Amino acid sequence: DTEVTQTPKHLVMGMTNKKSLKCEQHMGHRAMYWYKQKAKKPPELMFVYSYEKLSINESVPSRFSPECPNSSLLNLHLHALQPEDSALYLCASSQQGYHEQYFGPGTRLTVT
Amino acid sequence: SQQGEEDPQALSIQEGENATMNCSYKTSINNLQWYRQNSGRGLVHLILIRSNEREKHSGRLRVTLDTSKKSSSLLITASRAADTASYFCATGEAAGNKLTFGGGTRVLVKP
Repeated sequence: DTEVTQTPKHLVMGMTNKKSLKCEQHMGHRAMYWYKQKAKKPPELMFVYSYEKLSINESVPSRFSPECPNSSLLNLHLHALQPEDSALYLCASSQQGYHEQYFGPGTRLTVT
Repeated sequence: SQQGEEDPQALSIQEGENATMNCSYKTSINNLQWYRQNSGRGLVHLILIRSNEREKHSGRLRVTLDTSKKSSSLLITASRAADTASYFCATGEAAGNKLTFGGGTRVLVKP
């Protein structure tokens, strides 16, 4: 199984809401990532988990809170977002950070 | 931060023609990878070339790497309408344990 799944596919939330994005992989990968992508731009790395520990936080605002409950699951908790946070949020996994990464289909987030 | 710059930013070709796009980067790398992204979807890994390799092929794809010039190129031969997508290069750095993506090339293949 070489699939990374993400839920939900679409999410609309108000600035006062709390929501969570979920990501799952069953490839035995020990590194998992969250990326943010704006239209016509490359993915921007947000967080890296390696062996279930947060190893990289690319100075992401605290309204984004990642969580890795186990080696197969990755969550991104969202709270008090701003309209400029509207984007495609991509999850990925790999054996090591600089190896081939497998991406999920993304969650299209709209903040109103 | 963005390590790679891709050229051109957009490319429009007829079906059957070849498409070439280039990527330049700034730091030492472990490998360089190319990904494809169809509109609004996740990225799909196409090919990985290690820093000690100069050329690699996969089906209709040919990738070259010139570490002295810190540049790579992706050639798609005999393009098809289904190749319409954005293509991103990404550099893998062992020290940073992550990938850094270039700006991307949007390719339109007209039938």
